[in-house]
Order: sequence, then C-alpha cells, then structure tokens
Amino acid sequence: GQNIDQPTEMTATEGAIVQINCTYQTSGFNGLFWYQQHAGEAPTFLSYNVLDGLEEKGRFSSFLSRSKGYSYLLLKELQMKDSASYLCAVRFPYNTDKLIFGTGTRLQVFP
Amino acid sequence: EAQVTQNPRYLITVTGKKLTVTCSQNMNHEYMSWYRQDPGLGLRQIYYSMNVEVTDKGDVPEGYKVSRKEKRNFPLILESPSPNQTSLYFCASSLLALSSYEQYFGPGTRLTVT
Repeated sequence: GQNIDQPTEMTATEGAIVQINCTYQTSGFNGLFWYQQHAGEAPTFLSYNVLDGLEEKGRFSSFLSRSKGYSYLLLKELQMKDSASYLCAVRFPYNTDKLIFGTGTRLQVFP
Repeated sequence: EAQVTQNPRYLITVTGKKLTVTCSQNMNHEYMSWYRQDPGLGLRQIYYSMNVEVTDKGDVPEGYKVSRKEKRNFPLILESPSPNQTSLYFCASSLLALSSYEQYFGPGTRLTVT
C-alpha cells in the first residue's frame, strides 16, 4: 500500500512559524490535501495541491514537490487555537477517488 | 445550513448485533465516503461512492457494507460487528469526484463493540 509519513508531534510558541512535512510514494499521485482536526472534532479542509509550488491562504501555506514526493504545511503567526492535528492526505491512483491519509501531526502551541 | 449529519453519534453494542450508521448531506454532493479513525493509524477509507448506485472499496472494507440509493444518503452497515470495529467513524462528502473539491466531514460516530 501507499505510505504517507508525517512527524507524530511538534511543539511551537505562539507567534512563531512552524513547518509540518509530509512525504509519500510518488507512483500514481493525483493530488494532496491538508486537513486540520481539533481533538474530538471532525477534520476541516485547509488546502489542496496538485501542481508543484506554493499555495498561500492567509496564515497557512502549502507546498508540493511531485518529483520528490514531498509536501509541507507552513503555519505563520501561530495562535493558541492552532493547537490541533494536521492530516496530510494523498489521492491515488490516478482516475479514482481513493484518499489515503497520513497518521497526522499533533501540534501544540505554547504561550 | 450546509452540513453532513451522522446518526447515532455514540453507540455501544454487542458482538454480532447488526447495526446501521446513517449519513446524510444536504449539499447535493455527488461523492460520499466513510472513514474510520483509530489511534496511531489515522483516518482509513472504508468505502466511497462517486454517485447514486456507484460504490467502491477503500482500504479497509472488510466487515462493512454500504449502499447509495439516493444522492443525499450513504448508510454504513455492520452485519455482524466485532470488537475490532470499535472506532470513531466519519462520513464525508464533496461536490464532485476526481477533483480538487474539499471533503466536508460529519461530526463522527463513536462505536464500541463489546
């Protein structure tokens, strides 16, 4: 099966910048999503990348390199409410709608 | 209000007793999917449906059934639940399949099988 790797936990300070990495096997890749999930709640959509490069959306940006099988989510000006799990999800194989999630990165933001 | 609803939100049952978890969306979405979430394993796709009467297996379909008779509903059926199906279940929908459209998730159903 496809492996998607993310760090299990990260910590950061309020106001700082944090980068959460995600790596995946490149065969059959067809798009990558980032979701945010607060404890006990449903995931909510943050971003979608299918082409190489950086997509910026307010305090959050997502980067993709298809040749390297690599993506990151960049969170700027961290706030306490950003403490959550961040899930990387990859769609493959091409021409289906199967979505494979990583195990998620739990981010704790401290004052 | 646009939303995905699931019922029940919490369920404790016994091994072998058939159950159905309902999922409904009011956004006229074509694509619907079921996931289970377990500690250390993340979200895993059980089944998905790209439209009415079109369903397909995800990564962990064993022990589950689904149907898509109407666009808005996508129930998950456990014919003979077992303790290893104790999990947090999410239903999700998106406007179209094979696209960049985001998935909207329901609030989750916490199932315990004893």
